[in-house]
Amino acid sequence: SQTIHQWPATLVQPVGSPLSLECTVEGTSNPNLYWYRQAAGRGLQLLFYSVGIGQISSEVPQNLSASRPQDRQFILSSKKLLLSDSGFYLCAWSLLTDYNEQFFGPGTRLTVL
Amino acid sequence: AQSVAQPEDQVNVAEGNPLTVKCTYSVSGNPYLFWYVQYPNRGLQFLLKYITGDNLVKGSYGFEAEFNKSQTSFHLKKPSALVSDSALYFCAVSSLKFYFGTGTSLTVIP
Repeated sequence: SQTIHQWPATLVQPVGSPLSLECTVEGTSNPNLYWYRQAAGRGLQLLFYSVGIGQISSEVPQNLSASRPQDRQFILSSKKLLLSDSGFYLCAWSLLTDYNEQFFGPGTRLTVL
Repeated sequence: AQSVAQPEDQVNVAEGNPLTVKCTYSVSGNPYLFWYVQYPNRGLQFLLKYITGDNLVKGSYGFEAEFNKSQTSFHLKKPSALVSDSALYFCAVSSLKFYFGTGTSLTVIP
């Protein structure tokens, strides 16, 4: 069966510090991968998605970036965090057709102070 | 443009009563519609989806949803609510990407 992991689960970082959040998927090959941010426990904002190694699409211009160094690994990064980067970050995967559901990881709670 | 709307931020229902969480959609082409549930500080869990065929879709934990093409709606329903159903519910439409609604917070009152 497929599983998706995210770490760390929680993170507290000062403004201006770097960020690296990792997401890995097991039990499937060539998944679509997604990063979302959820602010204030509500709406989901799609940040990045990837259909293959090294292929990243950015949805919202900001100081975050994403990379996909391996088929089942997706990394969210920042060189300098802003207060507004605080939120709940969710990674998800899906198979390569529109009618397949996305499966979400447990999330990372990021607080920027 | 693809979008979904969840017109209610909050829904309260008594335990044992039927519940409905509303969703309307706007898509070009075939609608692929989904419902997810989120418990506090957790990722989203898939409940059910509509792809084609029978308008009544059954999913996990006793939930079902009715696809109505003329009203462009995909409301989530359950015949008898449980306190443990209290959570945040998201409707979504898929068209290359997922477009999520803003979520509806369901509270089931004992």
